[in-house]
Amino acid sequence: NAGVMQNPRHLVRRRGQEARLRCSPMKGHSHVYWYRQLPEEGLKFMVYLQKENIIDESGMPKERFSAEFPKEGPSILRIQQVVRGDSAAYFCASSSTSGGSSGANVLTFGAGSRLTVL
Amino acid sequence: DAKTTQPTSMDCAEGRAANLPCNHSTISGNEYVYWYRQIHSQGPQYIIHGLKNNETNEMASLIITEDRKSSTLILPHATLRDTAVYYCIVIKASGTYKYIFGTGTRLKVLA
Repeated sequence: NAGVMQNPRHLVRRRGQEARLRCSPMKGHSHVYWYRQLPEEGLKFMVYLQKENIIDESGMPKERFSAEFPKEGPSILRIQQVVRGDSAAYFCASSSTSGGSSGANVLTFGAGSRLTVL
Repeated sequence: DAKTTQPTSMDCAEGRAANLPCNHSTISGNEYVYWYRQIHSQGPQYIIHGLKNNETNEMASLIITEDRKSSTLILPHATLRDTAVYYCIVIKASGTYKYIFGTGTRLKVLA
């Protein structure tokens, strides 16, 4: 009964390199969300995906960031040409629904991937 | 979604009840109150949610005022492991996914 699995837990990149963060949702969950947490700040929504579809990417920076959730395999958050300001904790969450009569969707979060850009 | 206001930090003695307040004076009729917590840089953890009735589960109780403009999360017997940042979030039900995490309340449980 594994929860949301994220890897790598820690990633170090030099400026200009690419970072790929992976997220496997909980079994039975088809909704995936990515959040970013800068040091000493709250979590900020980035993107919401369902299998093979990006539903809402309004929180994603316009350039260098992309996300996918293929039919098979984990969701990937990709950051191209990283800069120091990308250093943050990136959290993935999943849910089984998008909400209903008993409330909004309860999100189950992973442990996060901490990106450090040198 | 309604904005929430929480105290920046609180202390609580171990074994005592921790009462964490949240103001959400602009909440609308179809918005729920959710509580999550984040223990030292781990991923946020769901605690409890409610609409207008008080709720209780194995982790906590949620008391929502009759006018729904504020609520209180109660940890009945706080332990050191409850030291965390607690987030109060107000969100619509169906079709909503964009949780807005503010800065929360940093609860420190003291031995």
